[in-house]
Amino acid sequence: AQTVTQSQPEMSVQEAETVTLSCTYDTSENNYYLFWYKQPPSRQMILVIRQEAYKQQNATENRFSVNFQKAAKSFSLKISDSQLGDTAMYFCAFPMNRDDKIIFGKGTRLHILP
Amino acid sequence: KAGVTQTPRYLIKTRGQQVTLSCSPISGHRSVSWYQQTPGQGLQFLFEYFSETQRNKGNFPGRFSGRQFSNSRSEMNVSTLELGDSALYLCASSLIRSTDTQYFGPGTRLTVL
Repeated sequence: AQTVTQSQPEMSVQEAETVTLSCTYDTSENNYYLFWYKQPPSRQMILVIRQEAYKQQNATENRFSVNFQKAAKSFSLKISDSQLGDTAMYFCAFPMNRDDKIIFGKGTRLHILP
Repeated sequence: KAGVTQTPRYLIKTRGQQVTLSCSPISGHRSVSWYQQTPGQGLQFLFEYFSETQRNKGNFPGRFSGRQFSNSRSEMNVSTLELGDSALYLCASSLIRSTDTQYFGPGTRLTVL
C-alpha cells in the first residue's frame, strides 16, 4: 500500500530558529511530484514547496527548503529563520500514481513562539 | 486571477437532510478535487472531476456524490447526512491533473446535528 507518514504530530520552536519537519513515503512510481502544503489557522491550504522526484537537486523557496532522499523515500521540510506567520499545520503529500489522487500525511502542527 | 472560491462557508444541518456544496476553480483550471478534513482522519480524498467527468473516487459511501459543469465549477452533494459527516470540506483546483500543484479554497464547514 502506498502511504505517507509524518512522525511529528506537533512541534514548537522559537522565532528565528530553524526547524525540520519529517516525512516518509512509499510509492512504486518513479516520476512524480512531492509537495508540502501549509494550512494556517485561517484554514486556507497553500503550497509551500514542490519537489520533482526525478531531480536530484533539492527544491528551495526562500526560507523553505527540502531534503529529498529518493532511495530512502524521505522528504523533509526545513524552515530557516522561522517567523510567527509560519505557525500552521504542515502536510506532506504525494500522488499514489501518476494519474491518481494525492495522498496527504496526517500533518505536523507547528507553533512558532515569540 | 481570482482564487478558488467555495460556498457556503458554513452550514448547519440535521441528520437525514441533504446538502450541496459549491466550488469555483481558478480560471483555466479543469481539474477539481474534493477532500474531507476531520481531526481524526485528516485529509481524505473524496473525488476528482475533469471535463465534467469523475476521474477518480475515494473510499466514501454512495451518499457522497458530485458533478462538474462545463465552466469547470463543481458541486458535491451529501445525502442522508450523518453526525460523522461533520467536517471541513475542501475543494482544490489544478490545471490538468490532481497530481499537479493544487490550489485550495477556504473550505465549507459542515456541522450535522
